[in-house]
Amino acid sequence: AQTVTQSQPEMSVQEAETVTLSCTYDTSESDYYLFWYKQPPSRQMILVIRQEAYKQQNATENRFSVNFQKAAKSFSLKISDSQLGDAAMYFCASSVFTASKLTFGTGTRLQVTL
Amino acid sequence: DAGVTQSPTHLIKTRGQHVTLRCSPISGHKSVSWYQQVLGQGPQFIFQYYEKEERGRGNFPDRFSARQFPNYSSELNVNALLLGDSALYLCASSLSSGNYQETQYFGPGTRLLVL
Repeated sequence: AQTVTQSQPEMSVQEAETVTLSCTYDTSESDYYLFWYKQPPSRQMILVIRQEAYKQQNATENRFSVNFQKAAKSFSLKISDSQLGDAAMYFCASSVFTASKLTFGTGTRLQVTL
Repeated sequence: DAGVTQSPTHLIKTRGQHVTLRCSPISGHKSVSWYQQVLGQGPQFIFQYYEKEERGRGNFPDRFSARQFPNYSSELNVNALLLGDSALYLCASSLSSGNYQETQYFGPGTRLLVL
């Protein structure tokens, strides 16, 4: 079984600044995938970034990057140059395969202020 | 191309009633998954279907059932509704059910309120 824990219910960042969202997970699988999803008020879940556990290199997507610490089972998301449009709920998730059952954390609400 | 679509967008039911939620995957996607998102929590996996066969089931009672049609659209049925079934129901589609380097695309969800 997989579990995902997000210990920050809410975070706030000023526009153009950098913020890091935390996530820890637990799994008995040797191969797995980790994700960050964004859910704006429109409710539609959008994939932000994906990390394959077998890859040592941290994934990056434009202003979004992750710090994947496999031994510590930690998977944090860094958002650089924050924009007002980044305001949303962010969910950390894991799965055994990229298109199989996702296990989500409880989410972190990110506020972006001027 | 159209994304994942779900209908209806909102629904109000009373306890004990039955509800059917519908999902149309992205064209060419053969796998559909259903998730329940209770207010303030992360989504919980309910079912996954691929090529009309159930590929996974979450920890939900038998009141929850689903099926997938030949055109890969899917229905989620919930019988004997309880207040606790009030939630956002999300549908996600992907090309297959477990291949590598795939992405699951989510629909906008159906908001169900049980009174």
